[in-house]
Amino acid sequence: GQQVMQIPQYQHVQEGEDFTTYCNSSTTLSNIQWYKQRPGGHPVFLIQLVKSGEVKKQKRLTFQFGEAKKNSSLHITATQTTDVGTYFCAGVGSGGSNYKLTFGKGTLLTVNP
Amino acid sequence: DAGVTQSPTHLIKTRGQQVTLRCSPKSGHDTVSWYQQALGQGPQFIFQYYEEEERQRGNFPDRFSGHQFPNYSSELNVNALLLGDSALYLCASSRDPGLDSPLHFGNGTRLTVT
Repeated sequence: GQQVMQIPQYQHVQEGEDFTTYCNSSTTLSNIQWYKQRPGGHPVFLIQLVKSGEVKKQKRLTFQFGEAKKNSSLHITATQTTDVGTYFCAGVGSGGSNYKLTFGKGTLLTVNP
Repeated sequence: DAGVTQSPTHLIKTRGQQVTLRCSPKSGHDTVSWYQQALGQGPQFIFQYYEEEERQRGNFPDRFSGHQFPNYSSELNVNALLLGDSALYLCASSRDPGLDSPLHFGNGTRLTVT
């Protein structure tokens, strides 16, 4: 079945440093979504990427979808303590009647003020 | 505008018992998905309900079953509980048609099986 892998599992940075998490799927995706889960909270939708090679920005966050639609990345510029949490990518496999969103294991980001 | 609501927030059950978890979707949403999240892991898809039918199912045994009501709310039932069923159970709603609809999660039900 479809697998979504994320690296790194953990990342600790000093406030102001940049952060990147990478996501790879075992199969081609129709779209990829990113979610953030604060400690003790629930996943909150950040963004969806659909097109091959797509790049989207939200303030200090930059999201990319690979040309082959099998990988994605999230880059945060100049991290802040409010960025703390686990970032998940989640993909939907292409083709067929597939409504299942497969999540990676996430990258836990901690920020030292 | 109420978001996704789940009840109860916490639950402690004994091995072999049965449990029912409840979910009301966000206003305007008609699709409900259930996820299991073990500690330190990503959410694992259990199943999705749309138009009161199970539309797709993940790799979970038949002990896990569900229902969707005409008002779009949903229940997750787990029979013959095992210690390994201890997890955070998340309900997520979306507005169909589905693949482009982001999921809105509830706060989850923390289930502990002893």
